[in-house]
Amino acid sequence: SQKIEQNSEALNIQEGKTATLTCNYTNYSPAYLQWYRQDPGRGPVFLLLIRENEKEKRKERLKVTFDTTLKQSLFHITASQPADSATYLCALDREMDSSYKLIFGSGTRLLVRP
Amino acid sequence: DARVTQTPRHKVTEMGQEVTMRCQPILGHNTVFWYRQTMMQGLELLAYFRNRAPLDDSGMPKDRFSAEMPDATLATLKIQPSEPRDSAVYFCASGRGQPKYGYTFGSGTRLTVV
Repeated sequence: SQKIEQNSEALNIQEGKTATLTCNYTNYSPAYLQWYRQDPGRGPVFLLLIRENEKEKRKERLKVTFDTTLKQSLFHITASQPADSATYLCALDREMDSSYKLIFGSGTRLLVRP
Repeated sequence: DARVTQTPRHKVTEMGQEVTMRCQPILGHNTVFWYRQTMMQGLELLAYFRNRAPLDDSGMPKDRFSAEMPDATLATLKIQPSEPRDSAVYFCASGRGQPKYGYTFGSGTRLTVV
């Protein structure tokens, strides 16, 4: 069966360090991989997207890598800040019937200590 | 900023009652998703529409759930009859039909069935 796995344990890091979150998938051939941020009581917010033929994408302090051989994406936040504390979700897009079906992993909670 | 509007924000209902949740997608977006989020299962895709046509509702319990888009400005998710196991946060998301833009989520409807 298709699976998208993210580390269920919270990632706890010191302010200023780089946070690295992992997304692994099996039995899936995504065309796109997306990362979202979710704060308590809110809906997910889109952050960044990477295509299957791209290795790396950057946006300000965020960096995403995509390895279709390993079936893995890494999400990095450099110079992390307490305001970056949230749950981060990866999602895979796969074209189905001329449209795209977005499936989410369970998310990893990030805590950035001041 | 344009936003996806969901109503109601909170709903408490008794088992067996009908529940209707509403979503107003962003104007011009032609793709609408319905998700259910629980601690145990994370974000589960229930149904999605493109240009108001239902493309996939395989994630939805058919006997009690139904999803419709009566027009481009309104998507509805109905549960009849509701059960305690339906208690969750229900999210609607909309997008332009191409994943490169990401998707915009509403704030969700927190449903409690007692």
